[in-house]
Amino acid sequence: EAGVAQSPRYKIIEKRQSVAFWCNPISGHATLYWYQQILGQGPKLLIQFQNNGVVDDSQLPKDRFSAERLKGVDSTLKIQPAKLEDSAVYLCASSSTGSLEQYFGPGTRLTVT
Amino acid sequence: DQQVKQNSPSLSVQEGRISILNCDYTNSMFDYFLWYKKYPAEGPTFLISISSIKDKNEDGRFTVFLNKSAKHLSLHIVPSQPGDSAVYFCAASHYTGGFKTIFGAGTRLFVKA
Repeated sequence: EAGVAQSPRYKIIEKRQSVAFWCNPISGHATLYWYQQILGQGPKLLIQFQNNGVVDDSQLPKDRFSAERLKGVDSTLKIQPAKLEDSAVYLCASSSTGSLEQYFGPGTRLTVT
Repeated sequence: DQQVKQNSPSLSVQEGRISILNCDYTNSMFDYFLWYKKYPAEGPTFLISISSIKDKNEDGRFTVFLNKSAKHLSLHIVPSQPGDSAVYFCAASHYTGGFKTIFGAGTRLFVKA
């Protein structure tokens, strides 16, 4: 069974530029999560989808961050414009409906200069 | 506010000895507690969980203990092996139409051969 795929693995941009991350969850997993992990901290939930609907986006900075999961499968997370404090690893995870265990992708390491 | 706290950033243990990783939480509403393990350049992987109605769960070399009155849980690894060297995240989850999970900052475990 293929795991959660994410791309790109690394991205360096200048502040005020835009960036997009892509995630393909495990086949059949209806729940998809995007986390931000700043160095030295644990993953922080940005947004949670159930199929193509948003379950929780309370910690998503909506003035600059957006995410979509149009067909209920893969998802994109966008930052526009980026700030220095957005430097972090962005993790995508998926789980089957009602399951506690999340499966994580390898993450995208974003550096904003 | 940090609802899940791991106060030890790192822990060093000799191979064959016991590793004890600690975690404290503040919210009594959590239904489950989990431990995830993370190697460099990889996403976290699920290790073991415990329901809030239990006080112990064991899986091979890994045992999680929950003390609800103290709002404290711990992960015991016996015997520790060099391959256990990784960052361990404590996480707590509650169900609100889907599981919402909050992670601690992680403890880096070094197992010396």
